[in-house]
Amino acid sequence: GQQVMQIPQYQHVQEGEDFTTYCNSSTTLSNIQWYKQRPGGHPVFLIQLVKSGEVKKQKRLTFQFGEAKKNSSLHITATQTTDVGTYFCAANAGGTSYGKLTFGQGTILTVHP
Amino acid sequence: DVKVTQSSRYLVKRTGEKVFLECVQDMDHENMFWYRQDPGLGLRLIYFSYDVKMKEKGDIPEGYSVSREKKERFSLILESASTNQTSMYLCASRLLRNTEAFFGQGTRLTVV
Repeated sequence: GQQVMQIPQYQHVQEGEDFTTYCNSSTTLSNIQWYKQRPGGHPVFLIQLVKSGEVKKQKRLTFQFGEAKKNSSLHITATQTTDVGTYFCAANAGGTSYGKLTFGQGTILTVHP
Repeated sequence: DVKVTQSSRYLVKRTGEKVFLECVQDMDHENMFWYRQDPGLGLRLIYFSYDVKMKEKGDIPEGYSVSREKKERFSLILESASTNQTSMYLCASRLLRNTEAFFGQGTRLTVV
């Protein structure tokens, strides 16, 4: 089935440093979603990217969708302790699937004050 | 606000027991999902349903079955629980394909 690979698995940063997580697929994606899971919580939707080369921003978070629609990234500028958690990308299956949603392995972000 | 409710937050079962995990959503969503979350493996899709009585296997369906008799309720069944099914189970729902998914709070299942 469709797979999305996410790297790195872990990232430790000092508060104020930047952070980036990457998501890659071997197949062309119809769209990609990003979620954040706080420690002890459940995943919460952040954003969806649909168009080739699309860039969206949410305050200090910048999301990009590759030109070939096979990769995506999430970049956080000047991390804060409130950014800690696991960030997941998720891909919607194309073709005849009725809505399978596949997640990457996630990147666990730790921010040291 | 969308609410996705899982029947139990913590559950302890014995090996060989039949286990039911229940999930209810209150927003008339078409799609519902069951994932398991294990350290280092992310969220792995077990099964999903795109309509009442309709389902598709996910990536790791072995040892599990599902039931969706009513639109708001999606049940995950472990026919004969085993210790390797000890995990966090997350239910999710969404209105349609390509819309955002809403998650329940999760059920931490321990099989002893």
